[in-house]
Amino acid sequence: AQTVTQSQPEMSVQEAETVTLSCTYDTSENNYYLFWYKQPPSRQMILVIRQEAYKQQNATENRFSVNFQKAAKSFSLKISDSQLGDTAMYFCAFRDGGATNKLIFGTGTLLAVQP
Amino acid sequence: DAGVTQSPTHLIKTRGQHVTLRCSPISGHKSVSWYQQVLGQGPQFIFQYYEKEERGRGNFPDRFSARQFPNYSSELNVNALLLGDSALYLCASSLGAGADDTQYFGPGTRLTVL
Repeated sequence: AQTVTQSQPEMSVQEAETVTLSCTYDTSENNYYLFWYKQPPSRQMILVIRQEAYKQQNATENRFSVNFQKAAKSFSLKISDSQLGDTAMYFCAFRDGGATNKLIFGTGTLLAVQP
Repeated sequence: DAGVTQSPTHLIKTRGQHVTLRCSPISGHKSVSWYQQVLGQGPQFIFQYYEKEERGRGNFPDRFSARQFPNYSSELNVNALLLGDSALYLCASSLGAGADDTQYFGPGTRLTVL
C-alpha cells in the first residue's frame, strides 16, 4: 500500500525568507503523480503544485518549486520569498496511475510565516 | 466561474442519526470524490464517482454511501452516526476520472456528532 509521510508537524519562517517542507512516499508503482495542497485556516484546500513521476524536470509555479527525487522517493516543497498569506497547513499527496483518482495524503505541515 | 460548492457548511447531529451532505462540482466536471478529514490529520478517501458510477471506495464501513446525479452533483450519506464520524467532509471535482485529472476541493462540511 502506498503511504505518504510528512515528518515536520510545524514550521516557522520569517517573511521574505525561504522555507522547505519535506515529504517522502512509498510505492512500488512507476507511474504516479505527486501534489502539494495548501489549506489556509478555515478556508478550502487549494492545489499549489503537481509533479508527474515520468518527468525528470522539477515543477515550478511562481514562488513555489519542488525537489523531486524519484529514487529516494522524496518530494519536497520550497517556498521562496515567503509571504504572510502563505501561512497554512500544507499537505503532500500521492496518486497512482490506476483507474481510481484517489489521493493519499500525508498528515500535513503547519507553516507559520512571521512578520 | 463557480468553484466546487458544498452544503451545508456546518451540521450538528446526535449519535445514531443519519446525515446527507451535498456537493456541486465545477461546471463541466464529471467526477466527484469524497474525503473525510479528522482534526489534525490529512484527508482520507471515501468514494469516487464518475458519470454516475462508483469508481473507487476507501476503507470505510457500509454506513457510508454516496451517489451521483445526472447533473454530476453528488450526495454523501452516513447512517447510524458515531462520535468518530465528527470531521470535515471534503468534496473534490475533476474533469474526468483519469490519473491525469487534477482534483479541485470545495470548502467542506463540518459535521459534529454529539
